[in-house]
Amino acid sequence: AQKITQTQPGMFVQEKEAVTLDCTYDTSDPSYGLFWYKQPSSGEMIFLIYQGSYDQQNATEGRYSLNFQKARKSANLVISASQLGDSAMYFCAMRGFNTNAGKSTFGDGTTLTVKP
Amino acid sequence: DTEVTQTPKHLVMGMTNKKSLKCEQHMGHRAMYWYKQKAKKPPELMFVYSYEKLSINESVPSRFSPECPNSSLLNLHLHALQPEDSALYLCASSQEDRGRADIQYFGAGTRLSVL
Repeated sequence: AQKITQTQPGMFVQEKEAVTLDCTYDTSDPSYGLFWYKQPSSGEMIFLIYQGSYDQQNATEGRYSLNFQKARKSANLVISASQLGDSAMYFCAMRGFNTNAGKSTFGDGTTLTVKP
Repeated sequence: DTEVTQTPKHLVMGMTNKKSLKCEQHMGHRAMYWYKQKAKKPPELMFVYSYEKLSINESVPSRFSPECPNSSLLNLHLHALQPEDSALYLCASSQEDRGRADIQYFGAGTRLSVL
C-alpha cells in the first residue's frame, strides 16, 4: 500500500521569495519514485520534478528542487524566487516500482498563491 | 516534445447522449491512462493501457468504455452518464519503464458537464 500526505491545503508566498511545500509518504515498496506536478486553474497537470528512492542527490530542475529525506519519508518541493505564474495547485505523487504500472498515488494537493 | 492532446476541451451532454473523449500522443509512449478529477481533489485513476492492452480497470462503471485503437490514440466512450460524472477527465501517457521513473505526462483535460 502507498500513501501520500500533503498537510498544507493552502499556502501564500510573496513574489520573489522561496516557498516549501510539504510531502510525506509511506510505502512497502523498497524501490519507488516520487513526483511533483503543478496544476494551474486551466486544468493541465504539468510534471515538475522526479526523485528516485535510490538517487544519492536531491533532484533539481531550474527553480524547483526536491528536499528528499528518505529516513523521514519526506519529499518536500522547494520553489525559489516565486513568480505570479507559480500560483496553482501542487500535487505530490509516488509510484512503487514493484506495483502494477500506472498505479501512482497522489496526495490531496496544496494550493499555492503568490502575492505581488 | 512532451505533448498529450485531448479533445474536446469542454463537453456538455445529456444523460441519454453518447459521446467520446479523445487523447493523442506522439512521444512513442507505450502506456496511456484515463483519470477523473473532481474540483480541488487529486486525480483518480480509471483505466491503464499498456502496449495497447487494457491492464488496469479501477472498477469503473460500464457507462465508461475505453478504447485504444493504436499506440498513439486513446478514446473514452461515454453513454448514459449521470450528473455526478461531471468532472475534469485527464489523459496521460508514459514510456512504461517498469522499475524506473516512468514519468506520466498529462493532457490539458476535457471538462465534462452532464445535465
